[in-house]
Amino acid sequence: NAGVTQTPKFRILKIGQSMTLQCTQDMNHNYMYWYRQDPGMGLKLIYYSVGAGITDKGEVPNGYNVSRSTTEDFPLRLELAAPSQTSVYFCASSHMGSWETQYFGPGTRLLVL
Amino acid sequence: GENVEQHPSTLSVQEGDSAVIKCTYSDSASNYFPWYKQELGKGPQLIIDIRSNVGEKKDQRIAVTLNKTAKHFSLHITETQPEDSAVYFCAAKADDKIIFGKGTRLHILP
Repeated sequence: NAGVTQTPKFRILKIGQSMTLQCTQDMNHNYMYWYRQDPGMGLKLIYYSVGAGITDKGEVPNGYNVSRSTTEDFPLRLELAAPSQTSVYFCASSHMGSWETQYFGPGTRLLVL
Repeated sequence: GENVEQHPSTLSVQEGDSAVIKCTYSDSASNYFPWYKQELGKGPQLIIDIRSNVGEKKDQRIAVTLNKTAKHFSLHITETQPEDSAVYFCAAKADDKIIFGKGTRLHILP
């Protein structure tokens, strides 16, 4: 099993540009999450999904959108990139019905200039 | 909502000594407390967790203690080794959310 994979690893965006961060898991997990990690600030939940077709907002959803058309994929969309979205983004997944034992991907480092 | 405070933000210990990281939480309904380890350039990885019906849990050199009355829980690492150098995050789960602490950077000194 590859676990949770994320692409790209690193990206530089100009202010106002759009991009999609990809996340795929091969563990048949129903729950998937997107976090952002800023220096010294821990992990903040952006969006989460409890299954295909179901998504919900986390602590910091503004400026982001998600979709969940399959169990495996949970892409995160930035529509109008802003410098405040410079961060490291982590995707994670966990077993059905549980927020516990989350498996994290390697992260995507995003720089908005 | 839940708030999780983690201390210290940085910790340096001599190799072989013990390290203790402490977290406090605000929501008395929190019932699950995981600890994650994040190595440089990687995503966090669960190392140990504890539920609210247990006071202590141990796994080899790491242990977690929970004091529900005081709303705090701690991570204990004994006989520290160079590979323990990393950032450690505590978290608390209440309802359908997990809130993470801000992390502790642990340095193991040779």
